[in-house]
Amino acid sequence: DAGVIQSPRHEVTEMGQEVTLRCKPISGHNSLFWYRQTMMRGLELLIYFNNNVPIDDSGMPEDRFSAKMPNASFSTLKIQPSEPRDSAVYFCASSPRAASYEQYFGPGTRLTVT
Amino acid sequence: GQQVMQIPQYQHVQEGEDFTTYCNSSTTLSNIQWYKQRPGGHPVFLIQLVKSGEVKKQKRLTFQFGEAKKNSSLHITATQTTDVGTYFCAGPRDSNYQLIWGAGTKLIIKP
Repeated sequence: DAGVIQSPRHEVTEMGQEVTLRCKPISGHNSLFWYRQTMMRGLELLIYFNNNVPIDDSGMPEDRFSAKMPNASFSTLKIQPSEPRDSAVYFCASSPRAASYEQYFGPGTRLTVT
Repeated sequence: GQQVMQIPQYQHVQEGEDFTTYCNSSTTLSNIQWYKQRPGGHPVFLIQLVKSGEVKKQKRLTFQFGEAKKNSSLHITATQTTDVGTYFCAGPRDSNYQLIWGAGTKLIIKP
């Protein structure tokens, strides 16, 4: 079975540009999570979807960040405009059950904003 | 607020030595999960413990969940180079059941 798929794997962009990260969860999983990982702050939950509905976006840093899940097999995380402090690895994860159960992570997107 | 503390932050061992990481929650957890992240990789789910006092083994890895369901440990016997990485524990938050992650313990094999 295919795992969680993320694209792109690497993104380098200039400050002020729009960045869109994409995720395809594991088929049949009803929970989807976007995380950000940095050396300084560790692993941070940005947003959690259940059955395509955003349940908790309290981790989204600010209005520059937005996430959508138009269907069960696709989600996007958009940053507009991007800033150097957004540089991090962004992971998408999915779970076959609720938020409190095991999560399966994608390979991540390494974002560098110059 | 509810916290999950993990120690130590780093552990340097010689290959063949044992390794242990500890996880402590400020509240009782319904379950605790362990993940491994290799350098440059992504967190990979290892195991979930649910019962008080539960002990589970995966080859050289032994996972324990405390009697009060507030602490847990992961012990690796006779470390190998393939064990290198960061080990995270995570448990559900009381209020919304989302996972609270420990900061991770990085296992480093001395050359």
